[in-house]
Amino acid sequence: DVKVTQSSRYLVKRTGEKVFLECVQDMDHENMFWYRQDPGLGLRLIYFSYDVKMKEKGDIPEGYSVSREKKERFSLILESASTNQTSMYLCASSFESGYTFGSGTRLTVV
Amino acid sequence: DAKTTQPTSMDCAEGRAANLPCNHSTISGNEYVYWYRQIHSQGPQYIIHGLKNNETNEMASLIITEDRKSSTLILPHATLRDTAVYYCIVRVATSYGKLTFGQGTILTVHP
Repeated sequence: DVKVTQSSRYLVKRTGEKVFLECVQDMDHENMFWYRQDPGLGLRLIYFSYDVKMKEKGDIPEGYSVSREKKERFSLILESASTNQTSMYLCASSFESGYTFGSGTRLTVV
Repeated sequence: DAKTTQPTSMDCAEGRAANLPCNHSTISGNEYVYWYRQIHSQGPQYIIHGLKNNETNEMASLIITEDRKSSTLILPHATLRDTAVYYCIVRVATSYGKLTFGQGTILTVHP
């Protein structure tokens, strides 16, 4: 089975901290995605990448950046965490026409 | 991507079939119907997809009407672990680009 692994299940960070969320997939997929999920707003795309060192903005990129130095790893970076970035963060990779998601990282910014 | 309409919530008794409808009246000829589900506090999980023929796998069956304007996801013998939010998504078959989730249907399976 394809696995998408997110490094942390739960994180608590302070306002202003730089936060790294890591995601690794083990099936050589080219495309990887970062979403956030909030009650009443559903899943919203932050950034995606279709190749190493390539990235595209999603619907809500403000306050975030990403890094894709290796094909299997896609990192989401919160340059200066704020309380409105408290959310569930989901990483996904895509194959043919389907997507596999990680289990999510619940980030709380205090 | 075509828009979909799903009921907000549904209930089902354990062991019975759960039939989840989805309307996609503006679907284009090259767009597939995908179903995902999300169990509480987990990432969405792919279930099944199809173009125009009915599809079946180990998890579910997908019935698409002949005019392709609606479809039904069938869980033949629902269990308590099938309680989740089910998303119907219509899009072209490509791994590129985002997956757009609507609000989905909250399926609750009762003992």
